[in-house]
Amino acid sequence: EADIYQTPRYLVIGTGKKITLECSQTMGHDKMYWYQQDPGMELHLIHYSYGVNSTEKGDLSSESTVSRIRTEHFPLTLESARPSHTSQYLCASSERGTARELFFGEGSRLTVL
Amino acid sequence: QKEVEQDPGPLSVPEGAIVSLNCTYSNSAFQYFMWYRQYSRKGPELLMYTYSSGNKEDGRFTAQVDKSSKYISLFIRDSQPSDSATYLCAMTEGQAGTALIFGKGTTLSVSS
Repeated sequence: EADIYQTPRYLVIGTGKKITLECSQTMGHDKMYWYQQDPGMELHLIHYSYGVNSTEKGDLSSESTVSRIRTEHFPLTLESARPSHTSQYLCASSERGTARELFFGEGSRLTVL
Repeated sequence: QKEVEQDPGPLSVPEGAIVSLNCTYSNSAFQYFMWYRQYSRKGPELLMYTYSSGNKEDGRFTAQVDKSSKYISLFIRDSQPSDSATYLCAMTEGQAGTALIFGKGTTLSVSS
């Protein structure tokens, strides 16, 4: 079983609120990712990191931001949540090299009213 | 045209059936092909991966890649209710720095 944890699992919040989705892994992986998953749609990469102090935007534009101050921690922040941000957010990590095997967390399901 | 196309189903089969799940892709540079399984309310987990063309077998699961047709398949033999999940294909060019591209996933339900 993968050692990658996401909190909260479920969050219902009002428009305009600031939210942070937490992601931690205990496998010592350098690479970490945030994906967005909507019903019937592909997983889309929104952010990734190759190590401490490294963050990049993925192929799907997102108003969220990320930080990587510690290897094991990769939080995602929305400064002002909107209903369009309602989605499932999946955090993942992988070892160095080619990212063939991603280890996913169980996801954070965000609903913005 | 999307890079990866996958029929979302849903697909319903009786226990013991042989299941065939498929994806097509357009990028001829893809070299690594993966199948992930995602149970309800869980994150995806890697089921199998194949490099380039050919077959790979793991128990009841067989992955096939036909690069000439840009077509990959996952076969499940003797399907079980525990196989009920969403199956996502994913692929990558393989160089460091290139991301996985996922299909939409096919939802499979196996009834006992």
